[in-house]
Amino acid sequence: QSVLTQPPSVSGAPGQRVTISCTGGSSNIGANYDVHWYQQVPGTAPKLLIYGDNNRPSGVPDRFSGSKSGASASLAITGLQAEDEADYYCQSYDSSLNGYWLFGGGTKLTVL
Amino acid sequence: QVQLQESGPGLVNPSETLSLTCTVSGGSFSNSYWTWIRQTPQKGLEWIGYMSYSGDTNYNPSLMGRVTVSIDTSKSQFSLRLKSVTAADTAVYYCARILGGSAWRRNYFDPWGQGTLVTVSS
Repeated sequence: QSVLTQPPSVSGAPGQRVTISCTGGSSNIGANYDVHWYQQVPGTAPKLLIYGDNNRPSGVPDRFSGSKSGASASLAITGLQAEDEADYYCQSYDSSLNGYWLFGGGTKLTVL
Repeated sequence: QVQLQESGPGLVNPSETLSLTCTVSGGSFSNSYWTWIRQTPQKGLEWIGYMSYSGDTNYNPSLMGRVTVSIDTSKSQFSLRLKSVTAADTAVYYCARILGGSAWRRNYFDPWGQGTLVTVSS
């Protein structure tokens, strides 16, 4: 099966900007399928953070933004806050086999 | 707003069938698509399968043949059955609503249930 590759961890100081990458292939992100991002605080369920590459659900601060280029996507967080410390996952669709949705391996964000 | 709650046994014997139910409240059950996702420390988040209100289904190719998702619109519930389980099926299982319309390439998951831990062990 195809995979979406994320860095295992990133870190930043309060107030800084961090980015998390999500790299796929020609049967998912590279095929211009939408990328979505989820935030998961340990012990809780994932929460939708970004949908359709760069759209924020109601209630998500505009410090969070998404982008996509080619077979890769990125999540940017500006003005880093302690409450942003969590795991972040990208998700897309893959057209191989019979078609399925897949997730990245997750990135742990540490606020220093 | 829509809320989802998983329920079912927390312990399943190897080679037996895992059965979970997701109860949906606070919103429209019909005209929606519903899905199961699981999470393990080893493999992270893994999509399992989905079902539409009209009965359409699709499953993760890696689980095809072992998994069935069914729906009971009268109870606003949908269910997961995973047969012939092994220790590798030990995971936190989530149910979620699928959004983004009928084009799979646009679909995403929101909201999610709180999740339920299922352990496969004798």
